[in-house]
Amino acid sequence: GAGVSQSPSNKVTEKGKDVELRCDPISGHTALYWYRQSLGQGLEFLIYFQGNSAPDKSGLPSDRFSAERTGGSVSTLTIQRTQQEDSAVYLCASGTSSSSYEQYFGPGTRLTVT
Amino acid sequence: DQQVKQNSPSLSVQEGRISILNCDYTNSMFDYFLWYKKYPAEGPTFLISISSIKDKNEDGRFTVFLNKSAKHLSLHIVPSQPGDSAVYFCAATPAGGTSYGKLTFGQGTILTVHP
Repeated sequence: GAGVSQSPSNKVTEKGKDVELRCDPISGHTALYWYRQSLGQGLEFLIYFQGNSAPDKSGLPSDRFSAERTGGSVSTLTIQRTQQEDSAVYLCASGTSSSSYEQYFGPGTRLTVT
Repeated sequence: DQQVKQNSPSLSVQEGRISILNCDYTNSMFDYFLWYKKYPAEGPTFLISISSIKDKNEDGRFTVFLNKSAKHLSLHIVPSQPGDSAVYFCAATPAGGTSYGKLTFGQGTILTVHP
């Protein structure tokens, strides 16, 4: 079956612009996570959606970052007024409620802020 | 504050030999540990996991060992194959509570297996 997909695969934007990153999780997966990987770093948790519960936003680095998940499926991560330190690979993952530990990752979106 | 650490940025191994990747953690609330493998331009893929109630889990060529008292886990790959060359991430999470499923990752170790 289809895996997690993300779009765009690459995004170059100017400092100060807003960007939207999209994630299509595996069908039927109730859990959805956003992570980012900065150069030379491990994956950093950003936000977590589980079913209809309020999202866990504890990893969002600033109020310029927000995410929503519509209809329990597709998710969009929005970064407002981008800064150069936002440059990273943004990874989305999904999982089932019974095996949320085993998360299935998309290929990521490489964001470059110039 | 790095709660999960992989102190070796890279490891080079000959084909057929054993690869041992190490991971240390500091958060005693972590109850479940996972290893992910990542090829360039792809997302990480789940490899193997272990619960804190066990000290060993084996899946084919891959074995994960957990030493809770030392807060240390390791991934053994034997025999190593050139296709195993990738970045390996160690990850950990509490088993429940509000942090359920939220993985904390190490920095990764680049494994290169030479033919």
